[in-house]
Amino acid sequence: DAGVIQSPRHEVTEMGQEVTLRCKPISGHNSLFWYRQTMMRGLELLIYFNNNVPIDDSGMPEDRFSAKMPNASFSTLKIQPSEPRDSAVYFCASGGQIQETQYFGPGTRLLVL
Amino acid sequence: QKEVEQNSGPLSVPEGAIASLNCTYSDRGSQSFFWYRQYSGKSPELIMSIYSNGDKEDGRFTAQLNKASQYVSLLIRDSQPSDSATYLCAVKEGSWGKLQFGAGTQVVVTP
Repeated sequence: DAGVIQSPRHEVTEMGQEVTLRCKPISGHNSLFWYRQTMMRGLELLIYFNNNVPIDDSGMPEDRFSAKMPNASFSTLKIQPSEPRDSAVYFCASGGQIQETQYFGPGTRLLVL
Repeated sequence: QKEVEQNSGPLSVPEGAIASLNCTYSDRGSQSFFWYRQYSGKSPELIMSIYSNGDKEDGRFTAQLNKASQYVSLLIRDSQPSDSATYLCAVKEGSWGKLQFGAGTQVVVTP
């Protein structure tokens, strides 16, 4: 059974460019979470969706960040324009409502030059 | 701001010994607690969940919860070099499944 799928796995871009990260949750899961992890700040929740609806986006750092979940099997996190301080590992996780547990994807390592 | 606190470590443990990891949380209403293991360069992996006061055992792992003291711990018995990783404590907030993570404790098991 496939786990959470994220793409790309690595992204190197220049400051000011648009970055789009993609996530496919585990089939049947109805919650999806986007996290950012850095050495300085640890694992931070950016936004989460329940049944494709954004529930809490208070962790989104600023308007340069946006996330969508057009259907139950796909979500995107977009950064426009990107800045060097956005460099981090971005994780997507999905969860089933009954189990309450979250399963993480492999992450996208983003480096903004 | 609801907080989850962990000692950052590193916690150095001889092979075969017991590793003891601690976590405290600020939200007295929290009901669900999780331990994740994260190897360097990898994603967090769920290893334990606990919902009731007391102990919960799964193989070499034991989670302990004391809601009155707002304290959750993880014991790793017979520690192996493969247990060397960062262990993240997570506490569920509210009813939507949002997790608040601690900063993690790095465990180093020495042969």
